[in-house]
Amino acid sequence: RKEVEQDPGPFNVPEGATVAFNCTYSNSASQSFFWYRQDCRKEPKLLMSVYSSGNEDGRFTAQLNRASQYISLLIRDSKLSDSATYLCVASRAAGNKLTFGGGTRVLVKP
Amino acid sequence: NAGVMQNPRHLVRRRGQEARLRCSPMKGHSHVYWYRQLPEEGLKFMVYLQKENIIDESGMPKERFSAEFPKEGPSILRIQQVVRGDSAAYFCASSPTATFEAFFGQGTRLTVV
Repeated sequence: RKEVEQDPGPFNVPEGATVAFNCTYSNSASQSFFWYRQDCRKEPKLLMSVYSSGNEDGRFTAQLNRASQYISLLIRDSKLSDSATYLCVASRAAGNKLTFGGGTRVLVKP
Repeated sequence: NAGVMQNPRHLVRRRGQEARLRCSPMKGHSHVYWYRQLPEEGLKFMVYLQKENIIDESGMPKERFSAEFPKEGPSILRIQQVVRGDSAAYFCASSPTATFEAFFGQGTRLTVV
């Protein structure tokens, strides 16, 4: 079983709609979680950190569910520019690597 | 504060040659990660380094690949005797600590011909 798993998609989303997807992690010792965005052939860019209480940044909301070991990302009022691959990242305590999921591809269409 | 700098951006090597990829982390960042991404695939962890130390190299192939992060200068990912299967995008990321957000460079795209 992969340490961090994501549904590869693609999620085809009408412009203006809401889309949500999850990422599961297998290591209960994971402490830090992040969402990154990667556009085709570009470097991943940090979208947001995921805190225990959840956090929101504009149209993006991230949640952490430690009991079920998953994090989620919700995008409201989808824009065409939101089309990208969204990467989930988990990290254990200091001294451990960042582990990436395989990414979820989102395609926002007019 | 410049971002993570990787060079070269594109590198072409013939089979059997050596490839050296460089990564200068953001100022104040002492943690460096290297990832490889094959076409249409996800990011695969290769190695995690702090200054002068390899912390985790569990993703590095046992042969031909090595990495270093010296006290002075950039981190270097070295691939000896490259083969066609080494063709990929190699991304470097840096962070101030292991659990802080990591920031990526633009990557080096290696093509082995």
